[in-house]
Amino acid sequence: DIQMTQSPSTLSASVGDRVTITCRASQSISNWLAWYQQKPGKAPNLLIYKASSLQSGVPARFSGSGSGTEFTLTISSLQPDDFATYYCQQYNDYSPLTFGGGTKVEIK
Amino acid sequence: QVQLQESGPGLVKPSQTLSLTCTVSGGSIRSGTYYWSWIRQPAGKGLEWIGRIYSSGSTSHNPSLKSRATISVDTSKNQFSLKLSSVTAADTAVYYCVRDGGTFDYWGQGTLVTVSS
Repeated sequence: DIQMTQSPSTLSASVGDRVTITCRASQSISNWLAWYQQKPGKAPNLLIYKASSLQSGVPARFSGSGSGTEFTLTISSLQPDDFATYYCQQYNDYSPLTFGGGTKVEIK
Repeated sequence: QVQLQESGPGLVKPSQTLSLTCTVSGGSIRSGTYYWSWIRQPAGKGLEWIGRIYSSGSTSHNPSLKSRATISVDTSKNQFSLKLSSVTAADTAVYYCVRDGGTFDYWGQGTLVTVSS
């Protein structure tokens, strides 16, 4: 299995802050990485695919970068609606598809 | 707009088989453009991919479930299903059905399944 490790596990930030979340893969996954946002009681929502492509309808303050084994999700200016948990997911190896452990973005 | 809806019992006894069905609307499983997956999430924990199925019936599963999971498809009803055998309390989770193109772009609302006697 490809292990996905996110850091930090929890992040405290204020509205307007620039926020960066890191995801590391245990082996190279090229750019086959996605990011999701999940709010309490709701299904996750796809934000970014192929490491840096913005899903339709997702605000431009979200961006992704990286390739190989190291990836980042950046929120350029944190908004009240962005307090949530974020997950990365690799789809280079389908046996199995794997997620990171999640990063909870909390209000500072 | 593609919509997915899970259905099935919310309570299953230990050692029994969990059975869930996902009904897809706004898109056809038969089109063959996507896979269709099941993902679960225990309370307060992360996401675990269970397995996927293609319109042809071809499947792949997460080896961590040790062959307990069976996924099937009924293209005539535009539904796919999950059976998880020999459940324990560790299988208590919210179960999601999702459209799978490698990434998961459409999700059901999720259904909580509790394993308890």
